[in-house]
Amino acid sequence: DAKTTQPPSMDCAEGRAANLPCNHSTISGNEYVYWYRQIHSQGPQYIIHGLKNNETNEMASLIITEDRKSSTLILPHATLRDTAVYYCIVRGGSGNTGKLIFGQGTTLQVKP
Amino acid sequence: NAGVTQTPKFRILKIGQSMTLQCAQDMNHNYMYWYRQDPGMGLKLIYYSVGAGITDKGEVPNGYNVSRSTTEDFPLRLELAAPSQTSVYFCASKRLQANTGELFFGEGSRLTVL
Repeated sequence: DAKTTQPPSMDCAEGRAANLPCNHSTISGNEYVYWYRQIHSQGPQYIIHGLKNNETNEMASLIITEDRKSSTLILPHATLRDTAVYYCIVRGGSGNTGKLIFGQGTTLQVKP
Repeated sequence: NAGVTQTPKFRILKIGQSMTLQCAQDMNHNYMYWYRQDPGMGLKLIYYSVGAGITDKGEVPNGYNVSRSTTEDFPLRLELAAPSQTSVYFCASKRLQANTGELFFGEGSRLTVL
């Protein structure tokens, strides 16, 4: 299974862009990168996913390096409500197993 | 759609007792998952299922059992509860297309073993 490495914590000023990095150097060619976030003790919430092209939706942008060994989740204008734990995961296992492994995540603190 | 429904939301067990955490989804999702989250930690995959009649172990399956007799339901059985199983348990489901689509999570079941 591909493993991910994220910094344990980050701070960001309200209104500024939050850039959350993720390393997935052992990712295989057919594995997607997913990002989720968890606010307080709620169930994680899907944010975005991608394979090799950059992706954008109403919540965030995902930048994947050309070699696919790392990615960055960008929250363009962070608000206090974006304070959460952010998880970067890749689809685990070979083939179409559906196994999804979460790491420790990055705790993002958005400050006024 | 109710989404993913977990019951009970809270439970206190004594050491050695057994119980079943229920999980049901009404989205006709093929994939279902059980995760546990200890205080201040990330999610650990316990078991998952890619369809009715098929289950597989995740990262931390010891002390748990699952079954998947229908597409909708994926109960998690705890046998001989131990304090180390005190945790928040999340059930999730996902569409058949494993490379796309998102995980939908339930609200969690908070279990304390004393």
